[in-house]
Amino acid sequence: EVQLVESGGGLVQPGGSLRLSCAASGFIFGTYWMSWVRQAPGKGLEWVANINQDGSEKYYVDSVKGRCTISRDNADNSLYLQMSSLRAEDTAVYYCTRGRAYSNGYFDYWGQGTLVTVSS
Amino acid sequence: EIVLTQSPGTLSLSPGERATLSCRASQSVSSSYLAWYQQKPGQAPRLLIYGASSRATGIPDRFSGSGSGTDFTLTISRLEPEDFAVYYCQQYGRAFGGGTKVEI
Repeated sequence: EVQLVESGGGLVQPGGSLRLSCAASGFIFGTYWMSWVRQAPGKGLEWVANINQDGSEKYYVDSVKGRCTISRDNADNSLYLQMSSLRAEDTAVYYCTRGRAYSNGYFDYWGQGTLVTVSS
Repeated sequence: EIVLTQSPGTLSLSPGERATLSCRASQSVSSSYLAWYQQKPGQAPRLLIYGASSRATGIPDRFSGSGSGTDFTLTISRLEPEDFAVYYCQQYGRAFGGGTKVEI
C-alpha cells in the first residue's frame, strides 16, 4: 500500500525557516517524480515544487523561488521541502504527492498534509 | 505559464442530476496532459481523471472526462450524495484551476 506521511509543520514567525519531510512507503520511491502542493485555509490547491526521480530536475512556483528548496533522499525514501524567509501568505496545509514513474504528470497519491502557520 | 480557469465557481444540484464542470486553459495543453481531482472537507484531494479522459483506479464510471487543446470537461452523470465536493483540474505537474464546488 502506497503511503505518504508528512511531518515538520508548525508555527513559525515571519522571516523564519522550516523543513518539511515526507516519508514514503509501498512503492519504489527512487523511480517516481515527487511534488509538494499547498492549500491556504479556505482556498484552492497550489502546486509548490516538484523533483524528478534522481533530483537532477527541480521546478518551483514563482512565489517560492529563491525561498524554498525541494530535495529527496532515495536511500531513505524521503522527500523534503526547506522553506526560508517565510511570509504570512505561506500559511497552508502542505501535501506531499507522488507523480509518475520517470515523468512529470498527475498526482495519484497524496499524504494527509502538514499545517504550516506563519504568524508572530 | 498556462493558467486554468474553472467554471462555474459553484454548482448547485440535487442527487441524481447531471453535473458538467468546465476547465479552460490559457494555452493549449499538450497531449491532453490534464487531470481532475476531487476534494472533500478535511481530506486530501483524490485523483479522478488523467489524460483528460481516463478514470483513475477505483473511480466509478459515472465520472467522465473529455476535451482537448484548451477546453476540458468533467461530467458526473448522476450525482450521488458522496459526490458533493470541490473539483480541481490541473495541468500535469503544474498549476491547478481555482476549483468548482458542487453543492446540494
